[in-house]
Amino acid sequence: DADVTQTPRNRITKTGKRIMLECSQTKGHDRMYWYRQDPGLGLRLIYYSFDVKDINKGEISDGYSVSRQAQAKFSLSLESAIPNQTALYFCATGGPGEETQYFGPGTRLLVL
Amino acid sequence: GDSVTQMEGPVTLSEEAFLTINCTYTATGYPSLFWYVQYPGEGLQLLLKATKADDKGSNKGFEATYRKETTSFHLEKGSVQVSDSAVYFCAPGGGGSYIPTFGRGTSLIVHP
Repeated sequence: DADVTQTPRNRITKTGKRIMLECSQTKGHDRMYWYRQDPGLGLRLIYYSFDVKDINKGEISDGYSVSRQAQAKFSLSLESAIPNQTALYFCATGGPGEETQYFGPGTRLLVL
Repeated sequence: GDSVTQMEGPVTLSEEAFLTINCTYTATGYPSLFWYVQYPGEGLQLLLKATKADDKGSNKGFEATYRKETTSFHLEKGSVQVSDSAVYFCAPGGGGSYIPTFGRGTSLIVHP
């Protein structure tokens, strides 16, 4: 079984809808991250959390919110989706004392 | 803040050709350096890393050496295979912040 899972894997939604992307991990890591990937722009950090009570904005947090429901779960919400939020979204985790990140398989989101 | 410059792709090679993907970075201090690989339809995964100056990371025939003097971490492979076709990301690890900086990615296409 995968260590970092994301649901859904693909999602099509309409402008103005609220949607949630979920991430779960079985690695026991405290640090969790949400990124988006756009062609030619690489990965950009949306939000990150270093433990259950810690939430931090990343480079491009506008239009997004997150919830850290437990050590193992970190959800990303788009309160009112817009077409330029069409992208590939990745969740990642990081373990104690190491900088390596472990990525989920991604969620491909299309906002019409 | 930290920044990463990777050579733009796509890089197109024939099987068994020599590969170099250049990466230079700016960072505060001397972070660990990483190369991640993203195969089609998958999330990023660690390819190799180096934690201090002059260290060489290696995996699956790929190598990269931590060059403090030139702030570089170029990725090399002596003989690429079709299965190496992927997108490669260079990333300083962020040091104590645990917030890595990802390059824009370099797409590698290997033809039989």
